[in-house]
Amino acid sequence: DAMVIQNPRYQVTQFGKPVTLSCSQTLNHNVMYWYQQKSSQAPKLLFHYYDKDFNNEADTPDNFQSRRPNTSFCFLDIRSPGLGDAAMYLCATSRDDMGGLNNEQFFGPGTRLTVL
Amino acid sequence: AQKVTQAQTEISVVEKEDVTLDCVYETRDTTYYLFWYKQPPSGELVFLIRRNSFDEQNEISGRYSWNFQKSTSSFNFTITASQVVDSAVYFCALSEDSGNTPLVFGKGTRLSVIA
Repeated sequence: DAMVIQNPRYQVTQFGKPVTLSCSQTLNHNVMYWYQQKSSQAPKLLFHYYDKDFNNEADTPDNFQSRRPNTSFCFLDIRSPGLGDAAMYLCATSRDDMGGLNNEQFFGPGTRLTVL
Repeated sequence: AQKVTQAQTEISVVEKEDVTLDCVYETRDTTYYLFWYKQPPSGELVFLIRRNSFDEQNEISGRYSWNFQKSTSSFNFTITASQVVDSAVYFCALSEDSGNTPLVFGKGTRLSVIA
């Protein structure tokens, strides 16, 4: 089945120790997103790739970076995780060909990050 | 600026009851898209429906139905004969048509269906 895969499902890191979360998709979608979701809150968009074009949300901290080496993979790098970065990180994809972001997004199962 | 309000934070119902989840949105665009997503305890967001602003027909899919009313800027979601498996957090979301604007989510409504 075509899907969005996130690894690992659970990640524990230490305060200040860099961590990378990965996302892959078999849907061949051109847009990939990274969301941060804290407990009992709505997902918050960090950034997205429209094809190869990177789009950062204005309030995304510099501590968060992303890479998309090819259509199928996207990585979230947290350079120096703080306690406040503990959250669920959701990857999503969509197929959008008209310049907008209006089609349904397909989400992965998420990676729950714990910062000690 | 776009905004989505889900006033109900938590709802509890007994199995087989009907339940309606409210969603009110704000946008200045004339073309926009509304969505509902379900997030079960496993964490994965599951797409339920997408509706564009020009299509005000109500939609029914099995036990799920959606009532879109532009006059009140609402896009409410009803589950008929609720089941325990419907227990989840439900998010309403809005996407404007102009440019590269991302999806804006409401804060979600946690639905608990009790057997």
